[in-house]
Amino acid sequence: RKEVEQDPGPFNVPEGATVAFNCTYSNSASQSFFWYRQDCRKEPKLLMSVYSSGNEDGRFTAQLNRASQYISLLIRDSKLSDSATYLCVVNFGGGSNYKLTFGKGTLLTVNP
Amino acid sequence: SQTIHQWPATLVQPVGSPLSLECTVEGTSNPNLYWYRQAAGRGLQLLFYSVGIGQISSEVPQNLSASRPQDRQFILSSKKLLLSDSGFYLCAWSFQGDEPQHFGDGTRLSIL
Repeated sequence: RKEVEQDPGPFNVPEGATVAFNCTYSNSASQSFFWYRQDCRKEPKLLMSVYSSGNEDGRFTAQLNRASQYISLLIRDSKLSDSATYLCVVNFGGGSNYKLTFGKGTLLTVNP
Repeated sequence: SQTIHQWPATLVQPVGSPLSLECTVEGTSNPNLYWYRQAAGRGLQLLFYSVGIGQISSEVPQNLSASRPQDRQFILSSKKLLLSDSGFYLCAWSFQGDEPQHFGDGTRLSIL
């Protein structure tokens, strides 16, 4: 089983649509979770951390299900500027293990 | 606030030539530092990480090396580049512990 696995995509949605990305991870001891976005030929940028209770930042909602080892990202009212690759990121260690593992990403294109 | 600088943005090198990419962080002390490579159409691969001056951990065997001569300086080197070293190289930093990482602008390396 891959360490961090994401929907293969690509996703093509019209402006205003709601789109959801899913991600599964293999290590039940994982402690921290993030979503990043990466624009074409640019560096990844932190979109949001994912907390056990779920968290929301404007149009973006992230949820974590530890029992199923599953993370999701929901984007409401999609904008053209949301077009990017979305990376699911998991820290497989705890304490002194500082390494994050990145999923391969899901490409989103929002169309006018 | 913290900033990360990485240079050069683009580099074209012949096979067999040496490499030196530099990354510096400002606005924080004793950050964790990371080097990643992203090959075309693929996910991020962690190459090296460092939790302090002179402390380097290598993730994959390769002809690259890393050094951390100062607290906020991280250098990626090679004595002889291979064609397979082409890719998008990204430096990142984080606070100690299970914190998100923040990336530099990246260096796009092409080997001819």
